[in-house]
Amino acid sequence: GIQVEQSPPDLILQEGANSTLRCNFSDSVNNLQWFHQNPWGQLINLFYIPSGTKQNGRLSATTVATERYSLLYISSSQTTDSGVYFCAVEANSKLTFGKGITLSVRP
Amino acid sequence: NAGVTQTPKFQVLKTGQSMTLQCAQDMNHEYMSWYRQDPGMGLRLIHYSVGAGITDQGEVPNGYNVSRSTTEDFPLRLLSAAPSQTSVYFCASRMRYRVYGYTFGSGTRLTVV
Repeated sequence: GIQVEQSPPDLILQEGANSTLRCNFSDSVNNLQWFHQNPWGQLINLFYIPSGTKQNGRLSATTVATERYSLLYISSSQTTDSGVYFCAVEANSKLTFGKGITLSVRP
Repeated sequence: NAGVTQTPKFQVLKTGQSMTLQCAQDMNHEYMSWYRQDPGMGLRLIHYSVGAGITDQGEVPNGYNVSRSTTEDFPLRLLSAAPSQTSVYFCASRMRYRVYGYTFGSGTRLTVV
């Protein structure tokens, strides 16, 4: 099956800093999503981005499908951005998750 | 529009007991799926369905059964619970055409003792 690797595994930021989270995948995919899992365990859909670039406030994402990677940018980080960020890719109706990136934003 | 609803939110089972985790969506999504989340493992696909009457296995199907008799509901059955099934379970759904991707329920935390 498809392999999804996220890096770095852990990230500690000072409030206000910027960061880039990376997702590499091993094969062609039909769908790529970024999720944020908050401290209460909820999975929040950030972006549906099989290709191209999207922006939503302080967050933006870019997927280069031909090179099999996606990047999530967080600018001017806030403590509420803390949590785990998952990249998930879909092929043949199956969604495969990476192991996640744990982000801690310090005040 | 409630989205994806999972019940119960928490459950404790004894080894060998059976139970059904419920998942319902009101968005008329054709695709539905079940995942389990274990520490350090991300989310892993258990079973999925691309429409009523159609189900298939994911990465970790052993010990779980599913059926899809309606578009709205996709229950997950544990026939004989084992401690290894202690996990957080998530249900998700999406439209056939992937405009918005998957929507996830809030999860069921299951402990098997």
